[in-house]
Amino acid sequence: AQKVTQAQTEISVVEKEDVTLDCVYETRDTTYYLFWYKQPPSGELVFLIRRNSFDEQNEISGRYSWNFQKSTSSFNFTITASQVVDSAVYFCALSEAENNNAGNMLTFGGGTRLMVKP
Amino acid sequence: AAGVIQSPRHLIKEKRETATLKCYPIPRHDTVYWYQQGPGQDPQFLISFYEKMQSDKGSIPDRFSAQQFSDYHSELNMSSLELGDSALYFCASSSTGGRRPPIHEQYFGPGTRLTVT
Repeated sequence: AQKVTQAQTEISVVEKEDVTLDCVYETRDTTYYLFWYKQPPSGELVFLIRRNSFDEQNEISGRYSWNFQKSTSSFNFTITASQVVDSAVYFCALSEAENNNAGNMLTFGGGTRLMVKP
Repeated sequence: AAGVIQSPRHLIKEKRETATLKCYPIPRHDTVYWYQQGPGQDPQFLISFYEKMQSDKGSIPDRFSAQQFSDYHSELNMSSLELGDSALYFCASSSTGGRRPPIHEQYFGPGTRLTVT
C-alpha cells in the first residue's frame, strides 16, 4: 500500500524567507511517480512537478526547487524568497506504476498550509 | 491552453436527493479521474476511466456511479445524498501517450463544490 506523509500541517514565514516543505512516502513498487500540487485559496489544484522514481536528479524552476532522495524516501520542496502569492496548501502525491494496468490514481499527503506574511 | 471543465461549479442539494456532476477533459486526454476532497482534507481518489472503460476504483460509495461517454466527457452520479457527501469534487485528466499504465501528470479541473443540507 502506498502512503504519503507531510508532517508539517502549517508553516508561517515572512516574505522573502526561504521555506522547505517536507514529504515522505512509502511504496513497495520500484517504479513510481511523485508529484507536487498547489491549492490556492480559490480551491483549484495546480500541477507543479512530476518526478520519476528512476530519476533522482534534483530540479529547479525559478524560485522553486525539489530534492528527491530515494534513500530516505523523501521528496522535499523548497521555495526561495517566498512571496505572498505563494500562500496556499501544498500537496505531495504518489502514483505507483508497477503491476498496475489501470489508471495511475494519486495518493495525496495531508497537505501543508503555507502562509507568507508581508 | 484548454483546461479541464467541470459543471456545475457549485451545487446545493438536500439529503436523499441525487446529483450529477459533469467533467470535460482536456482535448486528446484519454483518462479521467474523480476525487473527493472533504473540508480540510486531502483529495481522495474515487474512480477513473481509460478510453471509456472503468480502469480503477477507490473509495467510492455504492451510492455513487460514474461513466465516461463516447466524447470522453464523464459524469459522476450521486444518489441518496448524505450530509457527509458535502465536499469539493475534482475531475482530472491525463494522456497516456499510448502507454499503459499512464504515467503522465494529472491536470485538475476547478472542482464542483457540493453542499448537502
